[in-house]
Amino acid sequence: NAGVTQTPKFQVLKTGQSMTLQCAQDMNHNSMYWYRQDPGMGLRLIYYSASEGTTDKGEVPNGYNVSRLNKREFSLRLESAAPSQTSVYFCASSNDGHYNEQFFGPGTRLTVL
Amino acid sequence: GENVEQHPSTLSVQEGDSAVIKCTYSDSASNYFPWYKQELGKRPQLIIDIRSNVGEKKDQRIAVTLNKTAKHFSLHITETQPEDSAVYFCAASKSGGSYIPTFGRGTSLIVHP
Repeated sequence: NAGVTQTPKFQVLKTGQSMTLQCAQDMNHNSMYWYRQDPGMGLRLIYYSASEGTTDKGEVPNGYNVSRLNKREFSLRLESAAPSQTSVYFCASSNDGHYNEQFFGPGTRLTVL
Repeated sequence: GENVEQHPSTLSVQEGDSAVIKCTYSDSASNYFPWYKQELGKRPQLIIDIRSNVGEKKDQRIAVTLNKTAKHFSLHITETQPEDSAVYFCAASKSGGSYIPTFGRGTSLIVHP
């Protein structure tokens, strides 16, 4: 099993450009998440999806959109990138239920110039 | 919403020493507390977790303690080794609804040989 995969690994954008970060999991998990990680700020939730067809805002959703394409895939889109969106982005998934481990992808390092 | 504070932000120890990382949470309804380890350039991975019906849990050199009354929980690492060097994140979540843990800001542990 590949677990959680993300593409791309690295990306440099200019202010105003758009891009989509891709995430896929092969563990048959219902829940998927997008986080951003900034120095000293921990992991902040951008959006999550509790099941196929549903998405909800997290702590820092402004400037982002998401799509839960199917059970496996959850994408994050930046419509008009800003320097404040320079960060490392992690996708994660987990089983249903409360006491569950989150499995993280390898991350995407995004720089917006 | 839940607020998780984590201290210290940086911890430097000599190999063989013990290390303790502390977290406090605000929502008394929180009942699940996972700890994640993130090595440099890698993804976060679960290392240990504890549920609110348990006061302490051990796994080899790692232990977690929970004080529900004081709303704090701690990670203890004994006989530290250089490979323990990483960023450690605590998190808290509560039952009901979607599984959405709130993360602390992380502790950078440096173990000097």
